[in-house]
Amino acid sequence: DGGITQSPKYLFRKEGQNVTLSCEQNLNHDAMYWYRQDPGQGLRLIYYSQIVNDFQKGDIAEGYSVSREKKESFPLTVTSAQKNPTAFYLCAAQGPNYGYTFGSGTRLTVV
Amino acid sequence: RKEVEQDPGPFNVPEGATVAFNCTYSNSASQSFFWYRQDCRKEPKLLMSVYSSGNEDGRFTAQLNRASQYISLLIRDSKLSDSATYLCVVNIYAGGTSYGKLTFGQGTILTVHP
Repeated sequence: DGGITQSPKYLFRKEGQNVTLSCEQNLNHDAMYWYRQDPGQGLRLIYYSQIVNDFQKGDIAEGYSVSREKKESFPLTVTSAQKNPTAFYLCAAQGPNYGYTFGSGTRLTVV
Repeated sequence: RKEVEQDPGPFNVPEGATVAFNCTYSNSASQSFFWYRQDCRKEPKLLMSVYSSGNEDGRFTAQLNRASQYISLLIRDSKLSDSATYLCVVNIYAGGTSYGKLTFGQGTILTVHP
C-alpha cells in the first residue's frame, strides 16, 4: 500500500541537541510538506518541497532545516535554535488533486 | 485576520442529530477546498473535497460559496464515531509547476454523545 512513513513515533530531545525526524513516501508525489501542531491549535507550515533538490520556507521555519535529496525522502532537523520544539510534527505529500496524505506523526518532547 | 477561520466549538450533540460547521477564508485566490478529520493524537485524514456545485458523501454534505468565501460541512444522523476535530482546509494554487500550499483552520471539535 502506498503511504507516508514517519519515524520515530516519539522522540525526546535534550536542551541544545539537534534531532532529525524521518519522512519517507512511496506515493511518487513530487510535493512534500512539514507541519507542526501544538495542543488545541491548527497546523502551521514549517518547510515544503515541490521538487527534488529544492525546498522553501514556510511560516515558521526558524530553528528548522530540511533536505530533499531524493523524491521519496524529506527529513526535518530540529536544531538547538528552535526554542520551543515540543509539538506534534506531521509530514505530508500532495497528490494531483491537491489533497494531502499525512504520515502518522512524530511527537517531540524536550527533556 | 486568519487565512482560514472556523468556530472552534466544541459542539456537543446527541446521536442522530444534524450538525453544521462553517468556515471562512480570506484569500480569494484559493482554488481547492477540503474537509479533514482528525482524531485525538492522530494525523488528519481527508474526509471530502468541496466542489463549487456542492457534494455529498453518505451522511456528509459539503458546500462552497465562492462569492462569500465560505465553506460548510453538514453531518446528518450523527454517530458516536463522528466525534473528532474537523479541519477546514484551502489550497492556493500559484500556477506553473506549483502545487500550492494547504492552509488549515484551527479545527472544530465535535463530540457526539449517546
